[in-house]
Amino acid sequence: NAGVMQNPRHLVRRRGQEARLRCSPVKGHSHVYWYRQLPEEGLKFMVYLQKENIIDESGMPKERFSAEFPKEGPSILRIQQVVRGDSAAYFCASSRESGNTIYFGEGSWLTVV
Amino acid sequence: GQQVMQIPQYQHVQEGEDFTTYCNSSTTLSNIQWYKQRPGGHPVFLIQLVKSGEVKKQKRLTFQFGEAKKNSSLHITATQTTDVGTYFCAGEFTGSNYKLTFGKGTLLTVNP
Repeated sequence: NAGVMQNPRHLVRRRGQEARLRCSPVKGHSHVYWYRQLPEEGLKFMVYLQKENIIDESGMPKERFSAEFPKEGPSILRIQQVVRGDSAAYFCASSRESGNTIYFGEGSWLTVV
Repeated sequence: GQQVMQIPQYQHVQEGEDFTTYCNSSTTLSNIQWYKQRPGGHPVFLIQLVKSGEVKKQKRLTFQFGEAKKNSSLHITATQTTDVGTYFCAGEFTGSNYKLTFGKGTLLTVNP
C-alpha cells in the first residue's frame, strides 16, 4: 500500500440505499482513478479525476453513479439507490501525474442485501 | 471495443515449477503494466513495459513486451508458495487518458 486510503473497507447496504465510498490519494497525488472488481473478474475502469475535474467517466454507469474530487478532501464515489448488482470491490488509485505509476488503495467492499 | 485477453484463467503448479501467463491486446498498446493481487487484497504494481520487445527481470520474474506491442507475458521461475495470487496485466491504449484496461487475471496456486 503506497498510501492510498479508502474507507469504509466494508459496507453493507440494503437495496435502495445510498453508498458513499471515500478515497484519499497519496500525499502530493492529484490524479485519482476508480475501478470496480466483480468476483473473479479483472478491474473495470470507472472514472478518472483530477482536482475538481472529471477527466474521463466513460466507465461509469449513466445512472445512479457519480464521482467527485473536490479541491479539499477525499474523492467520493457515490452510488444512489443501490441494487444487488452493485455488490463489488471498489478500488481507488492515484498518481502524481497522468502517465505515472498508479498506486491502488486496499479497496472498499460493498455488499447490497 | 479495446480489450485485453489474458490466459490461462487458472494455473496450479507444484512448488519449484515454472509459471507463465499471457496477455493479448486487440490493438497496439502504448504500454502494459503487471499487477499482483493476493486473495482479499488489492492490486500491487509490479512493472511497466513501454518499448517494443522490452524484457525486464525482477528476481525470478521475467516480463516481456512483444515486438508489435500487442502481447506480453509474465514468467515465474521456480515458483514458491509466496507467489500465490492473481496476476493481472493492464494495457494502456494510445489516447485513452491513461486509463488501464485490465485482463481478467490468472490465479496462481502453488502446492508446497
